[in-house]
Amino acid sequence: EVQLLESGGSLVQPGGSLRLSCAASGFTFSNYAMSWVRQAPGKGLEWVSLICGNNGVTYYGDSVKGRFTISRDNSKNTLYLQMNSLRAEDTAVYYCVKSSGLLLKNWFDLWGQGTLVTVSS
Amino acid sequence: EIVLTQSPGTLSLSPGERATLSCRASQSISSSYLAWYQQKPGQAPRLLIYGASSRATGIPDRFSGSGSGTDFTLTISRLEPEDFAVYYCQQYGSSPLTFGGGTKVEIK
Repeated sequence: EVQLLESGGSLVQPGGSLRLSCAASGFTFSNYAMSWVRQAPGKGLEWVSLICGNNGVTYYGDSVKGRFTISRDNSKNTLYLQMNSLRAEDTAVYYCVKSSGLLLKNWFDLWGQGTLVTVSS
Repeated sequence: EIVLTQSPGTLSLSPGERATLSCRASQSISSSYLAWYQQKPGQAPRLLIYGASSRATGIPDRFSGSGSGTDFTLTISRLEPEDFAVYYCQQYGSSPLTFGGGTKVEIK
């Protein structure tokens, strides 16, 4: 079965750090770009970051640039998001998302169920 | 950054009616790198349309997408009870990737 399973979400204090993981199964992980997309409570979708499938080229949204780092381990079929200097406005459900191809210009064809990150003191 | 503006914010319709959702881009989206997603409460989004007009696998043919350049439309020809949800457009042609603010289709 093709699926994405996120983990690592929790309550963290402002200024803290957290690492999210996403375990992929049912497809050749290294052949596809992967993204993180977040959704604040009651709000719309916001793309966070993308990493290409083979060369590791990365892209970031302006709101997280310099604070978040996306990475992947193709040998473990796992995607990561290292989040530092967390702010209250980072509170959201974070979705792991598979692209339809290797590079940037591909649509999102598979979404995980999401993991909740809450930034609060 | 390409800003996507969806309208209306909320669409109140009855089952069996036709729904027309609009997505307007602040600049032309090359090669129709435009997708539509459906999200139901408590669920992850689901891909409906990619390339502006191609239906994703398993999506019923009552869903159709059209448009090019800066103006795109998602049409649901006859609303079924399971179609009441929030719909998002997204451009994936340039970074940063961006989503529209969403259109909620609710039961009238």
